[in-house]
Amino acid sequence: RKEVEQDPGPFNVPEGATVAFNCTYSNSASQSFFWYRQDCRKEPKLLMSVYSSGNEDGRFTAQLNRASQYISLLIRDSKLSDSATYLCVVVGIIAGGTSYGKLTFGQGTILTVHP
Amino acid sequence: NAGVTQTPKFRILKIGQSMTLQCAQDMNHNYMYWYRQDPGMGLKLIYYSVGAGITDKGEVPNGYNVSRSTTEDFPLRLELAAPSQTSVYFCASSLAGGEGIQYFGAGTRLSVL
Repeated sequence: RKEVEQDPGPFNVPEGATVAFNCTYSNSASQSFFWYRQDCRKEPKLLMSVYSSGNEDGRFTAQLNRASQYISLLIRDSKLSDSATYLCVVVGIIAGGTSYGKLTFGQGTILTVHP
Repeated sequence: NAGVTQTPKFRILKIGQSMTLQCAQDMNHNYMYWYRQDPGMGLKLIYYSVGAGITDKGEVPNGYNVSRSTTEDFPLRLELAAPSQTSVYFCASSLAGGEGIQYFGAGTRLSVL
């Protein structure tokens, strides 16, 4: 089983649609969770952190379910500019409880928003 | 506000050649990382550093070497380039380790022919 698994898509949605991405992780000791966004041929950039209580940033909502080891990202009222690859990222810990910030990336979910 | 700067942006190597990918950050971050990204795949950690003089291997270190003589710079060395090293290489830095957010450079696209 992969450490972090995402549905690669692609998701093709019209402007204004609501779209949801899912991600599962295998290491129950994982500490922190993020969604990064990567535009075509560009570097990844942080989109938002994911908290157990769920968090919202404008049209974006992220949720974490530790019991099911599951992370989600919901995008409401999709814009053309939302077209990108969305990377689910999990931060683990190493022996002794310390972490060097080892990010484990999912393969990404491709989103295309069309007019 | 430069952030993380990588050079070169593109490079074509012949099999067996060597090169150094440069990475510099101006945010005084202690943690720095090198990743590679193959088409349609997530990023894989090659090497990381938690401070000047301290480096360690990530998931896919074979064929690469790093050094960290200063806080700012974290070069990645390919000694004997192989076609399997054709990839996009990203350098990143973060202020903290486990809870830190990582800032990425624009990447170096490397082809080994």
